[in-house]
Amino acid sequence: DVKVTQSSRYLVKRTGEKVFLECVQDMDHENMFWYRQDPGLGLRLIYFSYDVKMKEKGDIPEGYSVSREKKERFSLILESASTNQTSMYLCASTTGGGNEQFFGPGTRLTVL
Amino acid sequence: AQSVSQHNHHVILSEAASLELGCNYSYGGTVNLFWYVQYPGQHLQLLLKYFSGDPLVKGIKGFEAEFIKSKFSFNLRKPSVQWSDTAEYFCAAYNTDKLIFGTGTRLQVFP
Repeated sequence: DVKVTQSSRYLVKRTGEKVFLECVQDMDHENMFWYRQDPGLGLRLIYFSYDVKMKEKGDIPEGYSVSREKKERFSLILESASTNQTSMYLCASTTGGGNEQFFGPGTRLTVL
Repeated sequence: AQSVSQHNHHVILSEAASLELGCNYSYGGTVNLFWYVQYPGQHLQLLLKYFSGDPLVKGIKGFEAEFIKSKFSFNLRKPSVQWSDTAEYFCAAYNTDKLIFGTGTRLQVFP
């Protein structure tokens, strides 16, 4: 069974703080993704990565950056958190291309 | 821009009622299609997928979906829903390099 884990289920931060969200997958998947999920907006892609040290912008990359130093780990960074980044953040991984993506449990981030 | 539309935002049904959730995608050519489900408090999981072949695909828990290329549609169906089907359902389409998700449909099933 593929397992995607995220470092925190709930996180509360203050405006201006730097925030790190960690994601780890255990199935040697090449591709990893970060989404944010908001009511009425579905899932929107922030960044994705096809390989170690590679990253591609998704649809809403502003205010975020990512890091992929190891194949199994993909980190999302909020350089200076703002209240409009309060959301549910989902990590996913896949073997590649149009195959099924496997999702982590999500991190509900609140920025005060 | 490529997009996926789910026109039903909130559906309320009684147990044993039939379900059909609409999904339309905006682009032609080869496309992989998915339905994901998110039960309350749980992570997103795959219900079913279509890559090619038989346009009627069957998934877990009695769900099925039909790919109609001429209508750019991939509607989800279940003949008789149960209370445990209460969840949010997302349609998604893969083209070129990423998955595009619809905005989701919240299904509530009452006993």
